[in-house]
Amino acid sequence: ETGVTQTPRHLVMGMTNKKSLKCEQHLGHNAMYWYKQSAKKPLELMFVYNFKEQTENNSVPSRFSPECPNSSHLFLHLHTLQPEDSALYLCASSQASSARNQETQYFGPGTRLLVL
Amino acid sequence: AQSVTQLGSHVSVSEGALVLLRCNYSSSVPPYLFWYVQYPNQGLQLLLKYTTGATLVKGINGFEAEFKKSETSFHLTKPSAHMSDAAEYFCAVGTQGGSEKLVFGKGTKLTVNP
Repeated sequence: ETGVTQTPRHLVMGMTNKKSLKCEQHLGHNAMYWYKQSAKKPLELMFVYNFKEQTENNSVPSRFSPECPNSSHLFLHLHTLQPEDSALYLCASSQASSARNQETQYFGPGTRLLVL
Repeated sequence: AQSVTQLGSHVSVSEGALVLLRCNYSSSVPPYLFWYVQYPNQGLQLLLKYTTGATLVKGINGFEAEFKKSETSFHLTKPSAHMSDAAEYFCAVGTQGGSEKLVFGKGTKLTVNP
């Protein structure tokens, strides 16, 4: 158990649907992340939230909209996605600090998304 | 900017044989380096990490990695492979300035043959 949970684990949606992915961390961390994992490509960082404030948006299309209501929960709202958005979406959390220490990121099991 | 190269997208070994997964990095400042493992249908799990100090880092499940600055490498090894080691392994480098960002390699899928 990693202490980071994600729901749903699998999602199939049409291009006109609206859906949301949910991530919850039970580790008391203050930073949360969304990653996209596609076949044969490196893990791509999408968004970073630090103390509920978005600190990174890695040129992600606006059809992906993150929301971080508190330091334990992170959502990814999906709207009018494309088939190429099909991938495994991973959430992670860490205890970010102001020092230069690179804190370990703990990952959830991911949501396998298929866009038809 | 940091980058990571994992040599070999697939590695196959026999059970009991040495496991060697290669990782080279590029960084303009002293890096922080990580190895993660991903089992099927699961998220990434930390195997080990290098921040500062001892260059030989021991991790879980008998894995270890050695930071070699002169070779810009952080190869992962295990003396004797077990069937349960079959998974995908990712090397990652931490970015400068205390940022939380990690840059990942493309991964190496390890197969262990009986």
